[in-house]
Formats: sequence, C-alpha cells, structure tokens
Amino acid sequence: ILNVEQSPQSLHVQEGDSTNFTCSFPSSNFYALHWYRWETAKSPEALFVMTLNGDEKKKGRISATLNTKEGYSYLYIKGSQPEDSATYLCAFSSLDNFNKFYFGSGTKLNVKP
Amino acid sequence: DGGITQSPKYLFRKEGQNVTLSCEQNLNHDAMYWYRQDPGQGLRLIYYSQIVNDFQKGDIAEGYSVSREKKESFPLTVTSAQKNPTAFYLCASSIVESNQPQHFGDGTRLSIL
Repeated sequence: ILNVEQSPQSLHVQEGDSTNFTCSFPSSNFYALHWYRWETAKSPEALFVMTLNGDEKKKGRISATLNTKEGYSYLYIKGSQPEDSATYLCAFSSLDNFNKFYFGSGTKLNVKP
Repeated sequence: DGGITQSPKYLFRKEGQNVTLSCEQNLNHDAMYWYRQDPGQGLRLIYYSQIVNDFQKGDIAEGYSVSREKKESFPLTVTSAQKNPTAFYLCASSIVESNQPQHFGDGTRLSIL
C-alpha cells in the first residue's frame, strides 16, 4: 500500500484569508496526482488532475502546484470564502496501474465568516 | 442527469448477516470502484472493476465480495466475515483512460446493530 499524506489535518481560517495545504506522495513511479473537494453531505468533486513536474493548475481562487521529484503538491486558496469550507483530498496513481488511486486522509477546511 | 446512485443512504446490519450495497451509474464508464472510509483515514480501495465480468481486489478486500454482471452496476456485499464493517462506503466510476478523474456517489453509511 502506497503512503499518501496530507497536512494539516484541519484548518480554521477567517473569510478573506489565503491558505494552503500539502499532499505528499511517493516520488518514484509517479503517474498522476488528483485533487478533490468534498463538501459535507455531498460526493467528492474532482478539482485538478496533475501529471507533469512543475505543473500549475488554477480554477477561480483555487490553484495547485506539483513537484514529482520530491513528491509533493500544494493546494492554495486565495481569499477564502465560507463556501470553500470542505475536506480537500489528494489521490496518487502510479505507472503500475493509473486507474488505482491512493488517497490521503484529507485536509478539513473551515472558513469563518 | 448522468451520475452515480448509491443506495441505501443508511444501512444497519445484525451480527452474522450479509448485506449488499447498491451502486449504479449512467455515465457509460467502464471502470467502477468501492472505497471504505473510517474516521481520520483516507479512502481505502476495497474492489475495482475495469470491465464487465472482471474485477480485482483492492487493499482491504477481505470480508467483501462484488459482482460486475452489467456495465452500469457494481454491488458490494459485506459478508459476516468482515469483523469491523461499520464505516462509510463510497462507490466511484471512471473512464478507463489515462488521467481521468473518478466520479463519486453520495455514499452509504453502514452500522452494526
């Protein structure tokens, strides 16, 4: 079982704050890194798929970077809003089987108005 | 609307009883997956299937069984051999091509009576 770690486990910020969190994954045999957003009582929703070292992706106020050589990805949220409150999951897939995802335990973000 | 439907939303199991969780998708996806989530842990893969009539064990398959008789359906049976079945179960599906995200249902919460 491959180890994927996310930090911090939870985060409380004020509306308007910018924040970021980390996903660490094995640096060998890398295929893709996926970010998901999971709101309470809803299903996880795909945010980004990242495949190349140095990749940067952006969706509105949310962006992500990827470093496959050292095995980490950062997710940034600029000017957090209460509707950003959710658990953010990352998932790693390897060259051995790109359809098999290994998930981190998530970072739970709470944005206070 | 296209999506993944899991039922029931809540399920209770008596000791020694088998129960089956339903997962149906109308996204025309070839691949389907079952995950288990426990508090403080990431999603762990139970079983997955990339084509009808074929499936593979994930990382925690013991005590579970699946079938894939139709493309749109991937039911999961939690058998009496699964000694700690209380958890949240998520079903997902995806296209079997590189770099495709998985799409998730809303989940089933299973509890022991």
